[in-house]
Amino acid sequence: GAVVSQHPSWVICKSGTSVKIECRSLDFQATTMFWYRQFPKQSLMLMATSNEGSKATYEQGVEKDKFLINHASLTLSTLTVTSAHPEDSSFYICSASGQGFSSEQYFGPGTRLTVT
Amino acid sequence: AQSVSQHNHHVILSEAASLELGCNYSYGGTVNLFWYVQYPGQHLQLLLKYFSGDPLVKGIKGFEAEFIKSKFSFNLRKPSVQWSDTAEYFCAAIQGAQKLVFGQGTRLTINP
Repeated sequence: GAVVSQHPSWVICKSGTSVKIECRSLDFQATTMFWYRQFPKQSLMLMATSNEGSKATYEQGVEKDKFLINHASLTLSTLTVTSAHPEDSSFYICSASGQGFSSEQYFGPGTRLTVT
Repeated sequence: AQSVSQHNHHVILSEAASLELGCNYSYGGTVNLFWYVQYPGQHLQLLLKYFSGDPLVKGIKGFEAEFIKSKFSFNLRKPSVQWSDTAEYFCAAIQGAQKLVFGQGTRLTINP
């Protein structure tokens, strides 16, 4: 149980375009979803936390207007990278939990974004 | 700020060797600790976790970790590694309602 999926698994887009990444909890209701960014050979950095039905909470230094997060249901959260630039190329990973921060997070497989 | 440190960036071992990966955290008080593994091309998987109780925690695939409060450590161990253990290993910590903080990761390479 506790499976989280992401779509797409990889995407290539041109600079200036927007890209949407979906994160779904397949067999449980995710009251909280998290979005991380992982640079090559580095650790995961939390970008934002989203609770179903409310606005996401962004970490310091993360542009909320650039990385739009929507958590419209208990099984789906989306991350939209707006006006993407090459420096946005990265591995984006979502995770989900059923009870907020203190409970275990289940991670998705990640989405590799390449902006040309 | 709270932090998690993994001092081994890249560890290379031969099959059947014993493994110990270091993890230290900077939190005071009660903390929940995790070890995750990321196999090449795959997503993060939970190896084991410590919330409370017995400080020696056993996880999947023969891994275990020991929580030593006095040393602020949560080292990962495996008595005999296999080639299939080649992966990236992340230690993480969370305290209360705060965010999950990851260490820098340790790349483990097992030579057959």
